[in-house]
Amino acid sequence: DTEVTQTPKHLVMGMTNKKSLKCEQHMGHRAMYWYKQKAKKPPELMFVYSYEKLSINESVPSRFSPECPNSSLLNLHLHALQPEDSALYLCASSQDHGADTEAFFGQGTRLTVV
Amino acid sequence: AQSVTQPDIHITVSEGASLELRCNYSYGATPYLFWYVQSPGQGLQLLLKYFSGDTLVQGIKGFEAEFKRSQSSFNLRKPSVHWSDAAEYFCAVNSGAGSYQLTFGKGTKLSVIP
Repeated sequence: DTEVTQTPKHLVMGMTNKKSLKCEQHMGHRAMYWYKQKAKKPPELMFVYSYEKLSINESVPSRFSPECPNSSLLNLHLHALQPEDSALYLCASSQDHGADTEAFFGQGTRLTVV
Repeated sequence: AQSVTQPDIHITVSEGASLELRCNYSYGATPYLFWYVQSPGQGLQLLLKYFSGDTLVQGIKGFEAEFKRSQSSFNLRKPSVHWSDAAEYFCAVNSGAGSYQLTFGKGTKLSVIP
């Protein structure tokens, strides 16, 4: 199994809603990542979890709250988002978080904030 | 700081023609280099990677890339393009002295004329 599974695939939420994005991998990877990708742009790193601990937060607004309940799961909790937060949210995982590591990406969640 | 430049925003080739997508990186030490492909609305799929050793690397789907240190380049090639190769291609570099810091280029959109 070399898949990273993200749910839901599409999400529409209002600015006052609370929702969560979910990501799961069963490759035994110990590093997991959240990326944000706007249309026609490259992915931008948001968070890195290494061995279930947050190791990198790229100055992401607090309305995005990551959580890593165990080594296979990664969540992104969303609250009070703005329309400009609409994007494709990608989850990825890798063996560890070293520089010589290969990241496997999920198919993404297409988020629309209305 | 590391950076990646993909000079071509959009390339159009005829099916069956050869392809070369350019990538230049800026980093002091030997970088870890990747090429990813992304179909519309999808996640990223790794085509190939270079960490060390032979500077010509083979990837999936008939792609190859050559690392040229003197030119700080890692260009992607394919001898004969198929219509299904139409997608966005991202070059990426990972460095960070042992920690994760994957930086993407802005991407090159490939269109294929039947």
